[in-house]
Amino acid sequence: GAGVSQTPSNKVTEKGKYVELRCDPISGHTALYWYRQSLGQGPEFLIYFQGTGAADDSGLPNDRFFAVRPEGSVSTLKIQRTERGDSAVYLCASSPGDRGPGTDTQYFGPGTRLTVL
Amino acid sequence: GQNIDQPTEMTATEGAIVQINCTYQTSGFNGLFWYQQHAGEAPTFLSYNVLDGLEEKGRFSSFLSRSKGYSYLLLKELQMKDSASYLCAVRDTAGGYNKLIFGAGTRLAVHP
Repeated sequence: GAGVSQTPSNKVTEKGKYVELRCDPISGHTALYWYRQSLGQGPEFLIYFQGTGAADDSGLPNDRFFAVRPEGSVSTLKIQRTERGDSAVYLCASSPGDRGPGTDTQYFGPGTRLTVL
Repeated sequence: GQNIDQPTEMTATEGAIVQINCTYQTSGFNGLFWYQQHAGEAPTFLSYNVLDGLEEKGRFSSFLSRSKGYSYLLLKELQMKDSASYLCAVRDTAGGYNKLIFGAGTRLAVHP
């Protein structure tokens, strides 16, 4: 079946603008995660959804960042008043979410490269 | 706090064996993952360890020692396509049930 998909693959915007990044998880996966990856670094956790609810949003850097998953499938990460420091690759991952902690592996999408000018 | 350390870069020869080490400090521990990431692509799952010992999967093996906070990824019979970054990630129970904490990655260059 299809893997995790993300759109757009690239997004260039101007400082101060609003952007939305979309993630389509693997069909049937109840858990969804957003990460941010800067050049030369590992992914940094932003937020985790179990179903429709945000179970852990402790990684969101500030209130300009917000994410939703209204029907428990597709998720949208929203960034208001973008800043140059928001430039990074935004990765989405999903996992089955219905297994024990020892087997719940996260599968990543290709990411959206956001550039804020 | 949480801290994951791995070497920044490594080089190896095609056909050889390379070991990539990872040390971690976490408040709680619930598993360690290794991912491979080619430049500009998504991380892909390689292995998972939650108990001490060696997990073997074809050319790749991963080892874990929980008492030492240490893991390694062993790549055998290296191929040019193995040139990539290798990410060590820990699932920390104190930080949230399903949150992975990643190291910065080890960039491996395989040369002929």
